[in-house]
Amino acid sequence: GNSVTQMEGPVTLSEEAFLTINCTYTATGYPSLFWYVQYPGEGLQLLLKATKADDKGSNKGFEATYRKETTSFHLEKGSVQVSDSAVYFCALSEEETSGSRLTFGEGTQLTVNP
Amino acid sequence: DTGVSQDPRHKITKRGQNVTFRCDPISEHNRLYWYRQTLGQGPEFLTYFQNEAQLEKSRLLSDRFSAERPKGSFSTLEIQRTEQGDSAMYLCASSLPGLNQPQHFGDGTRLSIL
Repeated sequence: GNSVTQMEGPVTLSEEAFLTINCTYTATGYPSLFWYVQYPGEGLQLLLKATKADDKGSNKGFEATYRKETTSFHLEKGSVQVSDSAVYFCALSEEETSGSRLTFGEGTQLTVNP
Repeated sequence: DTGVSQDPRHKITKRGQNVTFRCDPISEHNRLYWYRQTLGQGPEFLTYFQNEAQLEKSRLLSDRFSAERPKGSFSTLEIQRTEQGDSAMYLCASSLPGLNQPQHFGDGTRLSIL
């Protein structure tokens, strides 16, 4: 079946540091890949997505590139802010084999200190 | 666009009682999903609807769980004879039909079983 593995957290950074959160996946077909962010007490918000190999998703300074050869979708940001503190979830969906369901990783807690 | 709305935000109940949650999706979205999220974990898929049809159910959805979407708009998730292990955040999401459409999440209903 499908699965998503994220780097273990929590991650603590100083403001303006570079961020990488690793995500790798296992899928039987050709999934779409997503990053969601969850702020305290809130639901998940879509951060970015990529639907095919070599696509780059980007939003709010965050980027992730769909790497089929390494089955990865690592999240990066060049300069984090305190307001980026949240839990980040990598996810995939594969319409052909598992309908529209999203399969999530366990999440990575990010704390950015001023 | 008013977003996905869930009610109630919090529910505390005694073991053995029945509970029902409601989800109102974004109005033009005909797909609706339910997920369960426990502390420190990513959301897990429970079930999804396209219009009023329930198209997929996870094996996590025991016989005590039932979901409906009678008119293809709002949905309800009922848990009968609640157990301690049912304590979790229940998330609802909706999306447009078609491949690779992102899912938009509500803020969730947090269920606590005493």
